[in-house]
Formats: sequence, structure tokens, C-alpha cells
Amino acid sequence: AQSVTQPDARVTVSEGASLQLRCKYSYSGTPYLFWYVQYPRQGLQLLLKYYSGDPVVQGVNGFEAEFIKSNSSFHLRKASVHWSDSAVYFCAVSITGNTGKLIFGLGTTLQVQP
Amino acid sequence: GALVYQYPRRTICKSGTSMRMECQAVGFQATSVAWYRQSPQKTFELIALSTVNSAIKYEQNFTQEKFPISHPNLSFSSMTVLNAYLEDRGLYLCGAGQAPLFGEGTRLSVL
Repeated sequence: AQSVTQPDARVTVSEGASLQLRCKYSYSGTPYLFWYVQYPRQGLQLLLKYYSGDPVVQGVNGFEAEFIKSNSSFHLRKASVHWSDSAVYFCAVSITGNTGKLIFGLGTTLQVQP
Repeated sequence: GALVYQYPRRTICKSGTSMRMECQAVGFQATSVAWYRQSPQKTFELIALSTVNSAIKYEQNFTQEKFPISHPNLSFSSMTVLNAYLEDRGLYLCGAGQAPLFGEGTRLSVL
């Protein structure tokens, strides 16, 4: 069955440090991959998406992610985090192509310490 | 730019009553709308996927009888939670479009 695993429930980093949030998916077909962020008491905001082509995709606010097919991974990275990046980050895979039907991971709570 | 609005943002209903939530796509055509629920301490569960001119597809554990959805045009969708009980509480999100844009959600509390 298709699934998304975010192995780290919570990540704490210091402001200015680099960040990697891990995501692995299980899907035999061609994945469409997404990262969303949820700020407190808000909905989901799209950070970036991967459909095909260059495996490194750039997103908003300095975030990027790399699709590694051999590892079934789509880790999110940022070179230098800011306190305002504190939020919950969700990795998702579209299992029916480009239809908007997503399977989400459980999310990773990022806390950025000043 | 493209945005998705959901309303109400927050609602409280008595156990056994129903409530309707709405989703409006602005600046783009929402050929598909997916409704999700985020229950407390959980991730997002897909309730159903609605594509204009196609039948609405409900996921396992969710039914049309409980969560009827309307998607009459490319900018609007609504979903009703019928006969709501405590287990229905949570944040309901609609995601519109192929790389879904989400609204702020409707947070449902049930008394």
C-alpha cells in the first residue's frame, strides 16, 4: 500500500542552523511529491512540489527538496532557518497522478530556538 | 494570485446536528476538489475527491450519506457533516487543483 513516512516527529534547531526534514514514500508508480507547512491554527501552505525533471526543486522561503528515486526519499532542506519557520511540515505523495488526491505523512514539528 | 477560501473558519454544533462548510477557489479553475480531515493529534485523512463532470469518490470509512459533497462549478464546493458526533471534530480542509492549494480550513467542534 502507498504510504509516506516522516521518521522525525519533532526536530529542534537553533536559528541560523541548517535543516533537513526527512520524508520517504512507498509507491511503485511515478510519484508526484509535495511538502506543505502548517502554522499554528492555520491550514496548509504549499512549499514546493516535484513532478519530473531536475530532482532538486526550489520552493518558497528558501526551502528546497531533493527527489532521490533509488532511496524513495524527498527530504526537505533549508540552509539557514529563522524562528518564523517554526511550524509543522507535512510531506505528501499523489498516488493518482495529477488529480489532487494526496497521502500525507504524520508531519514533523520544527522548533527553531533563538 | 490563486487562493482558496473556506468558511466558516470555526464552528460549534450540538451532537446529532449537521453543519455545512464551503470552499471557494479564486484565481484559478478548480477542476478537482479534495476534502480532508485532520483529527486531533493526527495527520490529514482524505474524505473524498470531487472532479467536475465525474462522480465523487469517497475513501474507505467515509460515505456520501455522512459527508455529502456538492461541486457545481469550477470555483465552488461544499460539504456537509450530517449528524455530527464527537469523533467528527477536527479541522476540515479543502484542497483545490492538481497541485492542491488549501484553504485555512473549517474547525469543527461538537458539544
